[in-house]
Amino acid sequence: ETGVTQTPRHLVMGMTNKKSLKCEQHLGHNAMYWYKQSAKKPLELMFVYSLEERVENNSVPSRFSPECPNSSHLFLHLHTLQPEDSALYLCASSQENEQYFGPGTRLTVT
Amino acid sequence: GQQVMQIPQYQHVQEGEDFTTYCNSSTTLSNIQWYKQRPGGHPVFLIQLVKSGEVKKQKRLTFQFGEAKKNSSLHITATQTTDVGTYFCAGGSPSGAGSYQLTFGKGTKLSVIP
Repeated sequence: ETGVTQTPRHLVMGMTNKKSLKCEQHLGHNAMYWYKQSAKKPLELMFVYSLEERVENNSVPSRFSPECPNSSHLFLHLHTLQPEDSALYLCASSQENEQYFGPGTRLTVT
Repeated sequence: GQQVMQIPQYQHVQEGEDFTTYCNSSTTLSNIQWYKQRPGGHPVFLIQLVKSGEVKKQKRLTFQFGEAKKNSSLHITATQTTDVGTYFCAGGSPSGAGSYQLTFGKGTKLSVIP
């Protein structure tokens, strides 16, 4: 499946680093999402963008900063992360109800 | 806020046995969706239920939505090794401008013993 792509697939970063995660959808959808998936916790919705405007921010710490320059691209900028931020970060897109997920970025914060 | 509980957390079955996972919401849902995530993979949409009491089938999979639209179940008949993975339910609600917010359960991890 290549409808939603994410880069990089794996990322190791120190707590003082700044990095960005990229998501691209090739499905013509109008909404995009960032999720965090940690072990033993439910998928947590972080941000929702619709028509390039943020419509939802579920009280995510400011060290995570999203950017949606157009309806096909979504970024998650990371800075001064904590070890507990290590997780799988999933991007998804939708046109109506069902969401299409990308393969995720496995992030490790050392 | 909305909470979605899912049980059991883990299920080990012998190949050929049936499997059921249950989902309960603290609030009435607009709809419920089910996703499957294979080991090392990402969630893949299976189905959406919208109507009270709705039942849908996909081959060996049967999905039900409760009359009160607060609970749902997924039943797999005669499991196969290809059914291995984690099954998530997610309660859906519109979040404006064509987007949709999903609240996911913790998932049920299914292992199938050949």
